[in-house]
Amino acid sequence: QKEVEQNSGPLSVPEGAIASLNCTYSDRGSQSFFWYRQYSGKSPELIMSIYSNGDKEDGRFTAQLNKASQYVSLLIRDSQPSDSATYLCAVKRGLTEGNTPLVFGKGTRLSVIA
Amino acid sequence: GAGVSQSPRYKVTKRGQDVALRCDPISGHVSLYWYRQALGQGPEFLTYFNYEAQQDKSGLPNDRFSAERPEGSISTLTIQRTEQRDSAMYRCASSLAKGIPYNEQFFGPGTRLTVL
Repeated sequence: QKEVEQNSGPLSVPEGAIASLNCTYSDRGSQSFFWYRQYSGKSPELIMSIYSNGDKEDGRFTAQLNKASQYVSLLIRDSQPSDSATYLCAVKRGLTEGNTPLVFGKGTRLSVIA
Repeated sequence: GAGVSQSPRYKVTKRGQDVALRCDPISGHVSLYWYRQALGQGPEFLTYFNYEAQQDKSGLPNDRFSAERPEGSISTLTIQRTEQRDSAMYRCASSLAKGIPYNEQFFGPGTRLTVL
């Protein structure tokens, strides 16, 4: 089993709809979770971080974390064509509080159709 | 403020040559990470530093790869005797300080390495 798994997509949603991106992870002790957006040919851009069970909202984005199910999701409300990109789920390695590398999923490609 | 910078942005080299990739992190960031990203994949960890100390180099593919960060700021990833399989996007990221939430990592633009 890979450490971080995502459906590679593509996930196609109409403009204005809610896009739901999902991620599962294998290390039950993981504490920190991140969503990055990567446009084609560009570098990953951090859009959300979440550390506690439940929901965290930032504008049109909501991250959801369920540690018991080892599941992280990203909801994008009122999807826009400019949201079309690959979304990478990342999990901080290790149990320590100190800075450690991230383990990334392969990413889910989102296409928002106008 | 200025983000993470990497140079060169593109590097084409011949098999067997050595290359040095440079990363300049966000000012004040304690930790610096090197990743490699293949097309259609997420970044894959290579090595990382806290200040000038290399904390983990378990992701380096073999002993042709090395990295340093002598003054705790700029880092260089060196690949000796390059091979075609080394061709990839090499990405650098930095983060501010230890502990949640400061492990948020910010990426540079990457260096595209092509080995002919």
